[in-house]
Amino acid sequence: SQWGEENLQALSIQEGEDVTMNCSYKTYTTVVQWYRQKSGKGPAQLILIRSNEREKRSGRLRATLDTSSQSSSLSITGTLATDTAVYFCATNNAGAKLTFGGGTRLTVRP
Amino acid sequence: ETAVFQTPNYHVTQVGNEVSFNCKQTLGHDTMYWYKQDSKKLLKIMFSYNNKQLIVNETVPRRFSPQSSDKAHLNLRIKSVEPEDSAVYLCASSTRDRGNERLFFGHGTKLSVL
Repeated sequence: SQWGEENLQALSIQEGEDVTMNCSYKTYTTVVQWYRQKSGKGPAQLILIRSNEREKRSGRLRATLDTSSQSSSLSITGTLATDTAVYFCATNNAGAKLTFGGGTRLTVRP
Repeated sequence: ETAVFQTPNYHVTQVGNEVSFNCKQTLGHDTMYWYKQDSKKLLKIMFSYNNKQLIVNETVPRRFSPQSSDKAHLNLRIKSVEPEDSAVYLCASSTRDRGNERLFFGHGTKLSVL
């Protein structure tokens, strides 16, 4: 498997708190993408971070990529109840198919 | 806004029946996929089609077969379903952003095999 963790992780927090989700991968990648899947919907891309970027921000989202430890994180600041979803990281090298990690089920309580 | 459309949303059937799921994308993408998502949310790629040519088949059982009439449509047929086929089937199309693939998913078809 490409992934260090394929089991679904679960986090439950209060609205307004910050949260960080992590994923680790086993083989070299040039890009990590983060996707979010809300209930009854398909996953949708949130953010893409490349191997030459250590950090990438988009609104309340912040992604990091550490190629030396082969890990990535996604942080959400000031969470809202609408952030409740399953979050996936995904990797592919240029030209290779996208593969998904096990996901984190985030519940944000209002 | 959804641009990958899947039908039906849900399907309940019995072991041994045949089912077909439809998928259409209006994004003009050249590549489409079928993923299987199990009850633990794990996403596994099943097939991908690029301009009607099968380019990936992740050793899924032979009772599964993709069907495409053009690059905007990719259907999935399951001949003689088994209980382990119960899952959500997600269709996606993809484009490349500076060489890296980005997927656009439909809402999924939830299959329950009794």
